[in-house]
Amino acid sequence: AQSVAQPEDQVNVAEGNPLTVKCTYSVSGNPYLFWYVQYPNRGLQFLLKYITGDNLVKGSYGFEAEFNKSQTSFHLKKPSALVSDSALYFCAVRERGQTGANNLFFGTGTRLTVIP
Amino acid sequence: GAGVSQSPSNKVTEKGKDVELRCDPISGHTALYWYRQSLGQGLEFLIYFQGNSAPDKSGLPSDRFSAERTGGSVSTLTIQRTQQEDSAVYLCASSLIGAGVAGGSSYEQYFGPGTRLTVT
Repeated sequence: AQSVAQPEDQVNVAEGNPLTVKCTYSVSGNPYLFWYVQYPNRGLQFLLKYITGDNLVKGSYGFEAEFNKSQTSFHLKKPSALVSDSALYFCAVRERGQTGANNLFFGTGTRLTVIP
Repeated sequence: GAGVSQSPSNKVTEKGKDVELRCDPISGHTALYWYRQSLGQGLEFLIYFQGNSAPDKSGLPSDRFSAERTGGSVSTLTIQRTQQEDSAVYLCASSLIGAGVAGGSSYEQYFGPGTRLTVT
């Protein structure tokens, strides 16, 4: 069965420090992996995705994520956090080759707070 | 418009009443999805439309929930005889190609701002 886990409900980081938001997944085959960000009273915004190729994926707003197959992880990272990065972050996974709309699985979200 | 829009942004209704939630997807996107987001939970898939094909209703939690998509564009999610457990944020998303189409599963979804439904 497919699933995705975000082990931290809350992450606090000081402005200017590097940030990491963790995500691990479970699929039978190869995954497609996505990160979305949700600002207050806004819908989810797409940040980046891993489909194939280079394990390091770069996305919007200076974020990047590294696909690690052996650890089944897709952690979101940014070298220097901004206060404006404070938001709710969702990881999502779909098994490659699976069709159907109901097999995109979202994590429960991690709330990132960047402290000035 | 540039993005997915939803209306109303907030809806408060009494238990037992019917509600309609509207979604305007990005122009040209063939696929449209409805999700429900409850506090502390991930997104729960509800229903999916792809072009003119029959919708995938596999996520609808009960027969009180229904949705339609007119002309391959605007969609309305209807909840009949609302219950308190229906209180949540209802999100609509669209994508260029839907996950139900071969090769479509790699396409990201673009979300609207959601409708916060409160059933009293």
